[in-house]
Amino acid sequence: KQEVTQIPAALSVPEGENLVLNCSFTDSAIYNLQWFRQDPGKGLTSLLLIQSSQREQTSGRLNASLDKSSGRSTLYIAASQPGDSATYLCAPQCSFSGNTGKLIFGQGTTLQVKP
Amino acid sequence: GAGVSQSPSNKVTEKGKDVELRCDPISGHTALYWYRQSLGQGLEFLIYFQGNSAPDKSGLPSDRFSAERTGGSVSTLTIQRTQQEDSAVYLCASSLEEGLWTQYFGPGTRLLVL
Repeated sequence: KQEVTQIPAALSVPEGENLVLNCSFTDSAIYNLQWFRQDPGKGLTSLLLIQSSQREQTSGRLNASLDKSSGRSTLYIAASQPGDSATYLCAPQCSFSGNTGKLIFGQGTTLQVKP
Repeated sequence: GAGVSQSPSNKVTEKGKDVELRCDPISGHTALYWYRQSLGQGLEFLIYFQGNSAPDKSGLPSDRFSAERTGGSVSTLTIQRTQQEDSAVYLCASSLEEGLWTQYFGPGTRLLVL
C-alpha cells in the first residue's frame, strides 16, 4: 500500500526566501507524481506533473524533482512571495497492475510567507 | 476553457437523509475521479470512471456510497442515510485518460451532516 509523507507539516518564512518541500513515498512503482496547491476553502490547483521517466520539471519559480528509486520528490520554490501561502500536496499516481491511476496524497505542507 | 465544476458548493443535511453531489468534468476528459477530504483522514480516493469500463469502487467507505456516470460525462455521487462522519469536502477530478495525464480538480462540495 502506497504511503506518502510530507515534511515539514508547516513552514513560516519571510518573503524572498528559497524553500524546499519534501515528499517521500513507499512504493516506487508510479506513473507520475503531481504537486498541487490548495488555498483555504478551495479546490486543488495542479502545479507540476513529473513523469516517472523524468527527473525534474520547472514552471516559473517552481522546480520539482523526482528520484523514483529512493521514493522521493522535492518541490523547490524560489524567491517566495506572500501569494505563495497555501498548502502544498504531493501525490504519486501508482502504476501496478489493475490500478486506475488514482492519486495517493500526503498530508501536505502548509506554507506561510510573511511580507 | 471551462474547468471541472461541482454542485452544490455547500450542502447541509440531517443525519439519515440521502444526498446527491454532482460533477461536470472538463469536456473531452474520459477519466473521472471522486476524492474525499476530511480533517481526520486527509485526501482519499473514492471511485474512478474511465470510458465504458467498469468503475473502480475500491475507495468507497461503505455500501451507503454509490456513484454513476451518465453518457461518459456528468457524474453523481450519492450518499444514503448520511452519518456525521460523512461530513467532508468531496472533490471531483478529471483527466484526458488514466495514467499519464494531469488530474484537474473541481472546487469541491462541502458536506455537513448534522
